[in-house]
Amino acid sequence: ETGVTQSPTHLIKTRGQQVTLRCSSQSGHNTVSWYQQALGQGPQFIFQYYREEENGRGNFPPRFSGLQFPNYSSELNVNALELDDSALYLCASSLTGDEQFFGPGTRLTVL
Amino acid sequence: GQQVMQIPQYQHVQEGEDFTTYCNSSTTLSNIQWYKQRPGGHPVFLIQLVKSGEVKKQKRLTFQFGEAKKNSSLHITATQTTDVGTYFCAEEQGAQKLVFGQGTRLTINP
Repeated sequence: ETGVTQSPTHLIKTRGQQVTLRCSSQSGHNTVSWYQQALGQGPQFIFQYYREEENGRGNFPPRFSGLQFPNYSSELNVNALELDDSALYLCASSLTGDEQFFGPGTRLTVL
Repeated sequence: GQQVMQIPQYQHVQEGEDFTTYCNSSTTLSNIQWYKQRPGGHPVFLIQLVKSGEVKKQKRLTFQFGEAKKNSSLHITATQTTDVGTYFCAEEQGAQKLVFGQGTRLTINP
């Protein structure tokens, strides 16, 4: 196991609602990245946080936002949920950048 | 944005046969990382290649980075049922942002 944990494991929401997903990084890792993985696809980079500051963002709208806390845990918030937001959301923590340690993911279903 | 193309999308083999997946880019790659994702699981880091022409081995797995740094391959010798999963290549595009290929899903007939 990587030591990266995510909660919740599964989540069902309806269109228009808001959701918060949580990630606890591996001990000592100061960088966390969030990815969206649709069924049958590779993970897509959402954004990255380094020492509580956003450090890069992928091609996702502003309703996807995040936070990183002093203990390096992190949140992903998605507002105004759409059906296409249904996916596996993965967080990955790293220190040196050479290897990212992925958590088990949160499976979000939007109805 | 720049993407890495991965082929084949699916591969089914008999246990004991070899397996290869390829990753291609139209532009020079800074580096390539390979990940394995078991069914229902999350990506797990396998290896990173950085140097032109680099070849690395992990037991039955052989990873290659092309001389022009525009392609990479993962070869598994004598597959076992534990090799089942989806194999992804990913390029690190600055600030640890990974751009993943579409993946090759490997299934094995025991």
